[in-house]
Amino acid sequence: DVKVTQSSRYLVKRTGEKVFLECVQDMDHENMFWYRQDPGLGLRLIYFSYDVKMKEKGDIPEGYSVSREKKERFSLILESASTNQTSMYLCASSPSYNEQFFGPGTRLTVL
Amino acid sequence: AQSVAQPEDQVNVAEGNPLTVKCTYSVSGNPYLFWYVQYPNRGLQFLLKYITGDNLVKGSYGFEAEFNKSQTSFHLKKPSALVSDSALYFCAVRDRGGGGADGLTFGKGTHLIIQP
Repeated sequence: DVKVTQSSRYLVKRTGEKVFLECVQDMDHENMFWYRQDPGLGLRLIYFSYDVKMKEKGDIPEGYSVSREKKERFSLILESASTNQTSMYLCASSPSYNEQFFGPGTRLTVL
Repeated sequence: AQSVAQPEDQVNVAEGNPLTVKCTYSVSGNPYLFWYVQYPNRGLQFLLKYITGDNLVKGSYGFEAEFNKSQTSFHLKKPSALVSDSALYFCAVRDRGGGGADGLTFGKGTHLIIQP
């Protein structure tokens, strides 16, 4: 079975802090994704990566950056956390042109 | 651009009755279509997908979905609902003509509530 893990299930940070969310997949998938999920808005794509050191902006990249130094790991970085970044963050991976497999999510609260 | 609409925020069904969760989509080319389910405080779980071929797709937990190209719909169905089916359901689309590894476009989700 594909396994996608995220470093934290719950995280509380203060405004202005730098925040790292880590995601690891164990199936050698080329593609990895970061989404945020908010009630009534569904999932919105922040960034994705189709190869090591490659990244593409999604629909809502502002305030975020990403890093993919190894194929299995995709990190989401909040350079200076703000309260409007309080959300559920979901990481996913997929082989090309196929369904995505999701991690359990990280619920981030920014105070 | 691609988009997905789930017109119902919530669907209520009595246990044992058939259920339908609606989804319509818009893509410039031909679609890949997916259904996911999310239980409370969990990530999304893949249920089923339409890539090509038979318009009726069968998936996990007894769910199925019918691809209707003329109505641009991909409704999720189950013949007999269980209380354990209560969850948040997401429809998603990807344009088959899109390049690279574009992310999926998700609907806003439909809460399915099965009443005992």
